[in-house]
Amino acid sequence: GAGVSQSPSNKVTEKGKDVELRCDPISGHTALYWYRQSLGQGLEFLIYFQGNSAPDKSGLPSDRFSAERTGGSVSTLTIQRTQQEDSAVYLCASSSRPHFRQGGLYTGELFFGEGSRLTVL
Amino acid sequence: KQEVTQIPAALSVPEGENLVLNCSFTDSAIYNLQWFRQDPGKGLTSLLLIQSSQREQTSGRLNASLDKSSGRSTLYIAASQPGDSATYLCAVGSGWGGSQGNLIFGKGTKLSVKP
Repeated sequence: GAGVSQSPSNKVTEKGKDVELRCDPISGHTALYWYRQSLGQGLEFLIYFQGNSAPDKSGLPSDRFSAERTGGSVSTLTIQRTQQEDSAVYLCASSSRPHFRQGGLYTGELFFGEGSRLTVL
Repeated sequence: KQEVTQIPAALSVPEGENLVLNCSFTDSAIYNLQWFRQDPGKGLTSLLLIQSSQREQTSGRLNASLDKSSGRSTLYIAASQPGDSATYLCAVGSGWGGSQGNLIFGKGTKLSVKP
């Protein structure tokens, strides 16, 4: 598709189970972000991938959270041993690589998916 | 450390009114600023992207300006409509490499346009 695709759109799981959330970025976008948004809260940065560089994992809240990006495209966010406080909407975004052109450095527009709503019972 | 602030946190206006949403940032060394709209239960939709070399961008009834030296951006919405009701967020991109992909989000302004 033309936009960022996330699946599943909704996931209900029991406390202690593992979950995987998938993000399919826009084709050709080198940058991929994961954010978390709890009810009524702002965006919480989780992890950032840029091309083949080592990901910035500084936002992952605990070692139960991990993410990978295979072949520089699809990304999977894994939450192990889920807790009730993990309940939130997980948002993925992608953008193209910055480039230089007349006028200076131009950076990519960020496009978001619709999110995956996770509910941990 | 870059910090992004959006004021007001919430705004309610009657339909047809022109309005301005504010975004301020502490570090003027940015490479872009982007405005988004978020409807309840939805992802973020990009509205306007302003590169650091630009002063403003326009799309339909929306106009976003950027003043790097004062660390401010405004989103102007003309002739507001009930369909404009949503939360509006700004995000600032600054630096290279480092944490968070160098994107810092404000907490948003929740806009309600009354018919």
